[in-house]
Amino acid sequence: GDSVTQMEGPVTLSEEAFLTINCTYTATGYPSLFWYVQYPGEGLQLLLKATKADDKGSNKGFEATYRKETTSFHLEKGSVQVSDSAVYFCALSDRAGGTSYGKLTFGQGTILTVHP
Amino acid sequence: GAVVSQHPSRVICKSGTSVKIECRSLDFQATTMFWYRQFPKQSLMLMATSNEGSKATYEQGVEKDKFLINHASLTLSTLTVTSAHPEDSSFYICSALLAEETQYFGPGTRLLVL
Repeated sequence: GDSVTQMEGPVTLSEEAFLTINCTYTATGYPSLFWYVQYPGEGLQLLLKATKADDKGSNKGFEATYRKETTSFHLEKGSVQVSDSAVYFCALSDRAGGTSYGKLTFGQGTILTVHP
Repeated sequence: GAVVSQHPSRVICKSGTSVKIECRSLDFQATTMFWYRQFPKQSLMLMATSNEGSKATYEQGVEKDKFLINHASLTLSTLTVTSAHPEDSSFYICSALLAEETQYFGPGTRLLVL
């Protein structure tokens, strides 16, 4: 079955540091890949997504590139801020036969804390 | 972005009682909603897919008689945990599907069964 593996956290960084959160996946079809973010006390929000190999998703300074050859979708940001402190989830939506039914498979989440 | 609400945000109940959790899409209609369960320091686990006007589809290992799902309108899905026990204590999260791969999540409901 489908699965998503994220690097274990928590991750603690100083403001303006470089961030990488690793994510690898296994899927039977041709998945779309997502990064969701959960701020304290709030619901999950879509951060970025990529729907096919070599696509790069980007938003709010975060980027991730869909690497089919390494089955990876690592999240990066060049300079983190305190406001980026949150839990980050990598996820995939498999598309059997080309149709996505919206079902998401999540990684375990990575807690990011950014200090001033 | 679109807004999904959940009610209640937190509930404490006695073992053996039933608890209903509501999930509403506030500014769009959702034919499909999803219910997830999240254990401490673990990922979200999909429990079931809720389709308006039809029976929910449960994931393997999820007891459909224990977790009753009703999707009676395009903006409301409910999850009822029947005869709750302490092992049902968890964080329950719903999401509503706006387009093929666009889901909006509720803030979650913390259930504690004593």
